[in-house]
Amino acid sequence: DQQVKQNSPSLSVQEGRISILNCDYTNSMFDYFLWYKKYPAEGPTFLISISSIKDKNEDGRFTVFLNKSAKHLSLHIVPSQPGDSAVYFCAASARYSGGGADGLTFGKGTHLIIQP
Amino acid sequence: EAQVTQNPRYLITVTGKKLTVTCSQNMNHEYMSWYRQDPGLGLRQIYYSMNVEVTDKGDVPEGYKVSRKEKRNFPLILESPSPNQTSLYFCASSFRQGGDEQYFGPGTRLTVT
Repeated sequence: DQQVKQNSPSLSVQEGRISILNCDYTNSMFDYFLWYKKYPAEGPTFLISISSIKDKNEDGRFTVFLNKSAKHLSLHIVPSQPGDSAVYFCAASARYSGGGADGLTFGKGTHLIIQP
Repeated sequence: EAQVTQNPRYLITVTGKKLTVTCSQNMNHEYMSWYRQDPGLGLRQIYYSMNVEVTDKGDVPEGYKVSRKEKRNFPLILESPSPNQTSLYFCASSFRQGGDEQYFGPGTRLTVT
């Protein structure tokens, strides 16, 4: 059973516009959520995170929103730039509720393409 | 520079020939893990280690072994590789526990024929 779902395998956005990547989760024990960015031939790199006590976290052009009741989070990139073209993975953990040993559970990823 | 390194980056081998993929981190992290990435399946955890001499199975451990004799190293061992282990492998580490931000190595592309 997939506990972290990214239902859009790919997303195409025009340069300068907003990119919105979505992620849903099913495990109520998850209390920490992360987004990773991956370029071809490189390992995933950490982008931004949010704990379940918050509903928004912002870092420059990147903002993550968390809706706990809907078990949904989203990553907003504003404005989108060509260098943002990559695969984005959503991940979750039970970091604060004792499940930290299990590590991160990843979604399947969304390939974001920024068009000039 | 703080980093996770993996070797080799690319490997083509034949069924049944034992191989080891090395992983090393220089950040004094306690937690290390191995993932495999397959098309349409995302990243799946193979094994993880909370500290030296402490290892445990992840979601897809069959056909793999690991060891953690030193804090910085976490090699992945395939005793008898099979074609279904053809994949992209990533080593990762985090400061204290697996639920923290994990830092990934550059990946090892393995092909088993």
